[in-house]
Order: sequence, then structure tokens, then C-alpha cells
Amino acid sequence: EDQVTQSPEALRLQEGESSSLNCSYTVSGLRGLFWYRQDPGKGPEFLFTLYSAGEEKEKERLKATLTKKESFLHITAPKPEDSATYLCAVRPNRDDKIIFGKGTRLHILP
Amino acid sequence: DAGVIQSPRHEVTEMGQEVTLRCKPISGHNSLFWYRQTMMRGLELLIYFNNNVPIDDSGMPEDRFSAKMPNASFSTLKIQPSEPRDSAVYFCASSPGTYYEQYFGPGTRLTVT
Repeated sequence: EDQVTQSPEALRLQEGESSSLNCSYTVSGLRGLFWYRQDPGKGPEFLFTLYSAGEEKEKERLKATLTKKESFLHITAPKPEDSATYLCAVRPNRDDKIIFGKGTRLHILP
Repeated sequence: DAGVIQSPRHEVTEMGQEVTLRCKPISGHNSLFWYRQTMMRGLELLIYFNNNVPIDDSGMPEDRFSAKMPNASFSTLKIQPSEPRDSAVYFCASSPGTYYEQYFGPGTRLTVT
């Protein structure tokens, strides 16, 4: 069964304290891995798509990386405005649908 | 550019009533997805359309749920009759095609009492 697991469930960091969020996946072939950011009361906002192991994408303080079994979202010197829930999703080869993980709630303390 | 538009943003209804949620996808996108989000189960795909045609409705929980897409710029998700366990946030998302990233609307928070 295709599955996406994110860890940790929640993470509290001080402003400027860098860290990484993990997304582990088990799929029958990967046709894309997506990262989204979701603020309270809003819909998920698209951040990155990764397609193959070794690929990296960056946007401001965020960098997403991909291996054959997991993806990391690295947050460098985060600011309070980076506080949000970060969702990972995968698209298996066999399907047009994407499967979401349950997310990591990130809280950056000023 | 306008993003995905959903209405209403909030809906409170009594058990047994019919509920209709509406979605306008981004212009030019030909794939549309309906999701439900709860704390317990996260984001779950209910149904998706390609070029206005329903492709997979295996996520629709029961026959009480139905969805239509009469044209490229409008879709509805209907629950009849509604039950308290249907309380959740319902999102609509669209994409340029099923192989691409999806763009989400702001959601409709449904409360069934």
C-alpha cells in the first residue's frame, strides 16, 4: 500500500535555529513528490515538486531534497513567519492521484 | 490572477439537511480535485475530474456524497443528507493536468449539528 509518513508531528524552534522535516514514502514507483505549506484557516500552498533522487529545490529559507525513500525540507535560519504546517505528498507511477502525509506543524519562536 | 474560488467559506447546518459546496477552478486548468481535511485523517481525496469528466470517485465516503462538473469553470460537491461526522474542511484544488502540482482554494468549513 502506498504510504507517506512525516516526522516529527510538531516542531518548535527558536528564530534562527535551523532544522529539517522528514517525509518518508512507500510507493510503487514515484512520479513526483510535492511539498506544501498550510497556514491556519487556509488551503495548502504549493512550494516544490521533486521528481528524481538527488534533486534539490530552493526557495528563500527552504530547501527540499529527495532520495529513493525520503525527502527532507531543510529550513535555514527560520523566522516566525515560517510557522505553518508543512505537508508532503507523493504521486505513484500507477496513479494520477497524490497521497498526502499528515504534516509537520512548525512553530518558530521569536 | 484569481486562484481557486470556493463558496461558502463557512457552512453550519443541521443533520439531515442538504449541503452544496461550490468551486471555481483556475482558468485554463483541466483537472479538478475535491478533498476533505480532518485532524484525525488529514487530507483525503474524495473525487477528481479531468476535462469535466469524473475519473476516480473511490474516495467518496458514501452515496450521500455526489459531485458534478457541468463545465470547465464550475464544480459542486453535494451531501444529502448531511450527518455530524461530515463536519470537516472541504478543499477544492485544480491543476493544469494530473501530472502537475495542484493549487488549492481557501476551503469550506462545514459544521453539521
